[in-house]
Amino acid sequence: AQRVTQPEKLLSVFKGAPVELKCNYSYSGSPELFWYVQYSRQRLQLLLRHISRESIKGFTADLNKGETSFHLKKPFAQEEDSAMYYCALLNDYKLSFGAGTTVTVRA
Amino acid sequence: EPEVTQTPSHQVTQMGQEVILRCVPISNHLYFYWYRQILGQKVEFLVSFYNNEISEKSEIFDDQFSVERPDGSNFTLKIRSTKLEDSAMYFCASSAEGLSNTEAFFGQGTRLTVV
Repeated sequence: AQRVTQPEKLLSVFKGAPVELKCNYSYSGSPELFWYVQYSRQRLQLLLRHISRESIKGFTADLNKGETSFHLKKPFAQEEDSAMYYCALLNDYKLSFGAGTTVTVRA
Repeated sequence: EPEVTQTPSHQVTQMGQEVILRCVPISNHLYFYWYRQILGQKVEFLVSFYNNEISEKSEIFDDQFSVERPDGSNFTLKIRSTKLEDSAMYFCASSAEGLSNTEAFFGQGTRLTVV
């Protein structure tokens, strides 16, 4: 079955510290993976997708097919990074989301 | 910047009543979606719609649910006879092409409370 797992419900880091959000997936084909972010009282928005290989707001994510992972990383967290982060898999033309990780960046 | 707009932002309805959630997708988009998120759970796919018909639906999207694009701008989700377990945040999304090629843009959501 196609599935996205985000093992951490909550993640708290200090400003300036590195942050890594874990995402593992199970998918039988060639996966297309995304990270979506939802800031407080705002809509879900795309943060990045693995095929574009971009760095957005200092975040990067590398697809590791051997480990079936797509972890999101940022070397120096900022307070404005506090948000809910969802990993998602494109599965038969629709998105399957993980449960989400709430990130709190403390001053 | 164009946005997906959903109305109302919050709807309270009695169990057994019909409810219609409304969405105005981005104007040149061709693909439309509904997702829902029950409190404390993950965002779940309900249905996708393209070329005036449902292209895919999940097992959640049973006969109580229907979607419509009545006038070329709105995209509605109707729940015919609401149950308590339909209480959730409902998100509409649209994309210009299929999601392999473009991004899905989400609305701000409608919180449905069934009492």
